Amino acid sequence: QVLLVQSGAEVKKPGSSVKVSCKASGGAFTSYSFTWVRQAPGQGLEWMGGIIPFFGPPNYAQKFQGRATITADHFTSTAYMELSSLTSEDTAVYYCSTTGGAYYYGSGSYLSGRDYWGQGTLVTVSS
Amino acid sequence: EIVLTQSPGTLPLSPGERATLSCRASQSVGSNSLAWYQQNPGQAPRLLIYGASSRATGIPDRFSGSGSGTDFTLTISRLEPEDFAVYFCLQYGSSRNTFGGGTKVEIK
Repeated sequence: QVLLVQSGAEVKKPGSSVKVSCKASGGAFTSYSFTWVRQAPGQGLEWMGGIIPFFGPPNYAQKFQGRATITADHFTSTAYMELSSLTSEDTAVYYCSTTGGAYYYGSGSYLSGRDYWGQGTLVTVSS
Repeated sequence: EIVLTQSPGTLPLSPGERATLSCRASQSVGSNSLAWYQQNPGQAPRLLIYGASSRATGIPDRFSGSGSGTDFTLTISRLEPEDFAVYFCLQYGSSRNTFGGGTKVEIK
């Protein structure tokens, strides 16, 4: 059973950066892909980006290219998402997710028939 | 990036009725890599369907998915009280995944 535990809520000033962590347990972290999704208050889900271990650089939604940085530390089984140049529009709950497999796109995803989500991290951007 | 358009935005129905939700893609979704999620307030999304038509682990058979290419449908055969929630489609056919805007199934 894979468990993802995210870091706690953050309050940030406009123009600053935030780094959210997502610690995985209960499985073979080194083979997991991860995605990051956010949800602004009262809004829908927004895919931010994803990473496949040892495969190459992360992929980002066009909207977040150049402003988001997704990394994974396999020694600590932790994935990270850093977002810079924050504005009030970045106020949202940020989720990490994994299918427990090596892919987050294409027919190789969801091979276990399920996925796993962190509990979400509320990031509030306010002056 | 592939744009997903969900309709309707809101679907008022009664328990026991059938719900039909649509998700249309701006271009063909590779390998029918389309998933459906259910979300309740304050909770993380829950995977219902992947690969356009495969039910996720533990999902009741009243949920079914269909479609291919650019047109996909989620059907809930008989609404239970716990099914009133918001539903999102996700395409994962490309390295840049995208979500639809969501459909809220509410009690009429």
